[in-house]
Amino acid sequence: GAVVSQHPSWVICKSGTSVKIECRSLDFQATTMFWYRQFPKQSLMLMATSNEGSKATYEQGVEKDKFLINHASLTLSTLTVTSAHPEDSSFYICSASPGYKDTQYFGPGTRLTVL
Amino acid sequence: AQSVTQPDIHITVSEGASLELRCNYSYGATPYLFWYVQSPGQGLQLLLKYFSGDTLVQGIKGFEAEFKRSQSSFNLRKPSVHWSDAAEYFCAVLFNTDKLIFGTGTRLQVFP
Repeated sequence: GAVVSQHPSWVICKSGTSVKIECRSLDFQATTMFWYRQFPKQSLMLMATSNEGSKATYEQGVEKDKFLINHASLTLSTLTVTSAHPEDSSFYICSASPGYKDTQYFGPGTRLTVL
Repeated sequence: AQSVTQPDIHITVSEGASLELRCNYSYGATPYLFWYVQSPGQGLQLLLKYFSGDTLVQGIKGFEAEFKRSQSSFNLRKPSVHWSDAAEYFCAVLFNTDKLIFGTGTRLQVFP
């Protein structure tokens, strides 16, 4: 149980285009979903927290107009990287939690490469 | 300040040897504690967690961890390491919010 999927697993795009990443909790309802970014050989950096039906809460230094988050249902959250640039290339990981201050279950990650 | 420390950046062990990965936190109360494992290019898999109760926690893949309040530690152990255990291990802590605070990770290398 507690499976989280992400799609796509990898994506290559041209600079200036937008990319959407989906995160789904497959066998539980996620009160909260989290989006992280991970640079090579580093730990995870929290980008934002989203609750179903509410606006996402972004961490300091994360541009909310660049990283659009939509938490449309209790099983789906999307991250859209708008007008992507090479510096946005990274590994993006989502997690989902069934309750407040509960265990976070992580997706397999999405490798984004912007050319 | 609330923080999580994994003192060992890189550990190398022989297959079949025992393993202990260290994790310390700084907090005035007892937090919720987790260990996750990440294989290259993959997401994080939950190994085990501690919320309350028995301070020795059993997890998946033969791992266990012991919460020691007096030392503010939550060290991960395995009695006999397998080559497939080579990965990055993250200790993570929930303090007084729902945001996980991660340690910097420990890379485990296993030699045959």
